Amino acid sequence: SQQGEEDPQALSIQEGENATMNCSYKTSINNLQWYRQNSGRGLVHLILIRSNEREKHSGRLRVTLDTSKKSSSLLITASRAADTASYFCATDASGANSKLTFGKGITLSVRP
Amino acid sequence: SAVISQKPSRDICQRGTSLTIQCQVDSQVTMMFWYRQQPGQSLTLIATANQGSEATYESGFVIDKFPISRPNLTFSTLTVSNMSPEDSSIYLCSVGLRVRYNEQFFGPGTRLTVL
Repeated sequence: SQQGEEDPQALSIQEGENATMNCSYKTSINNLQWYRQNSGRGLVHLILIRSNEREKHSGRLRVTLDTSKKSSSLLITASRAADTASYFCATDASGANSKLTFGKGITLSVRP
Repeated sequence: SAVISQKPSRDICQRGTSLTIQCQVDSQVTMMFWYRQQPGQSLTLIATANQGSEATYESGFVIDKFPISRPNLTFSTLTVSNMSPEDSSIYLCSVGLRVRYNEQFFGPGTRLTVL
């Protein structure tokens, strides 16, 4: 079963605005990762945050992790039309033989 | 990261036939994975492709339907056998580069349509 649940399911914003996407999960994790997918193509790895980290930055991306609430957020600042894509969170569960479990994804549309 | 290629990028197949998808990586990797993404859905792990041994399949996926080969550390194939329209999906391979963190990098995907 899917562990991550993103919200909102779809988000439409104007270019230049910030986009915030949330992910909740159910079990203990080693880390949480965010991926981007453009038009049904392959996934691009954006950022990984470990369970002992609370915040991480990469360029215009800011990810937070709250393990007490089992949730993460991805903030894209100063959005661009090229950020239009689907965004997925994926959790790497604690324990042996771990595997990534993907959420349902968020469709982000950035209007020029 | 790694450069990952998949062949074919897309195909349209007839019901009852089989299609083999290739995944090539530009460096040796221990872990390779195959995923399915049905239309408008998220990714579901089909199996982990192990070099030198049989693949490890997830619940709901069987070797007879999705045979996998992993002859070396840079290459793997996934075959979708006896296809039906329900097999229409994007099939993605991924590699794990930082095993400790299970950080995966994906190929461009193969878009399969079964008529």
